[in-house]
Amino acid sequence: SHGLTQAPSVSVAPGKTANISCGGDIVGHTGVHWYQQKPGQVPVLVIFFDSDRPSGIPERFSGSSSGDTATLTITRVEDGDEAVYYCQVWDSRFHHVVFGGGTKLTVL
Amino acid sequence: QVQLVESGGGVVQPGSSLRLSCAASGFIFSNYAMHWVRQAPGKGLEWVAVTSYDGSSKYYIDSVKGRFTISRDDSKNTLFLHMDSLRAEDTAVYFCAREGADGDFEFFDYWGQGSLVTVSS
Repeated sequence: SHGLTQAPSVSVAPGKTANISCGGDIVGHTGVHWYQQKPGQVPVLVIFFDSDRPSGIPERFSGSSSGDTATLTITRVEDGDEAVYYCQVWDSRFHHVVFGGGTKLTVL
Repeated sequence: QVQLVESGGGVVQPGSSLRLSCAASGFIFSNYAMHWVRQAPGKGLEWVAVTSYDGSSKYYIDSVKGRFTISRDDSKNTLFLHMDSLRAEDTAVYFCAREGADGDFEFFDYWGQGSLVTVSS
């Protein structure tokens, strides 16, 4: 099945913008979804179908996809955004869910 | 509100069996596909299995095929994961998660708190 590649870590200063990327052949051919997982907590859906935001998720969180790369963008980053972010797709060819390895966002 | 509560985890020896349960409430359980996702200690998320809303379609990650069985009891609003021939590498927190898309398998909109399974001699 197809893999998803994420950078292990991203660091950003408070108030700045964080861009977290997710690459793979399957990106662009299916919807990409993003989850936030804070230490000791359950994952939370923050973006679905590339750019849709669930209710309750701040507008500071947005998503996009172009070619073989999807991007989660967090503007005006806050200390509370520090977490691991996972991208995810459904691979309909192999009937599998695929997760990226996760990107740890550190707020400096 | 949507609630998913897992149970049944514990410490077992390699080769043993275990059944996890996920009690659902706050939504019409029989209308939704349901997934199991696991997370080994200190590692990332790994999808395990999915059952369609009516149980007619079930898919598994290759590493658990033939050992794990996902099932559901809509009369009890409960999802199950029966795990046989457990291995050390199955050690993880197991989450049940609700499918977020209508009529498809796509993403997870609600997650349970997880149940820890430890396979060790």
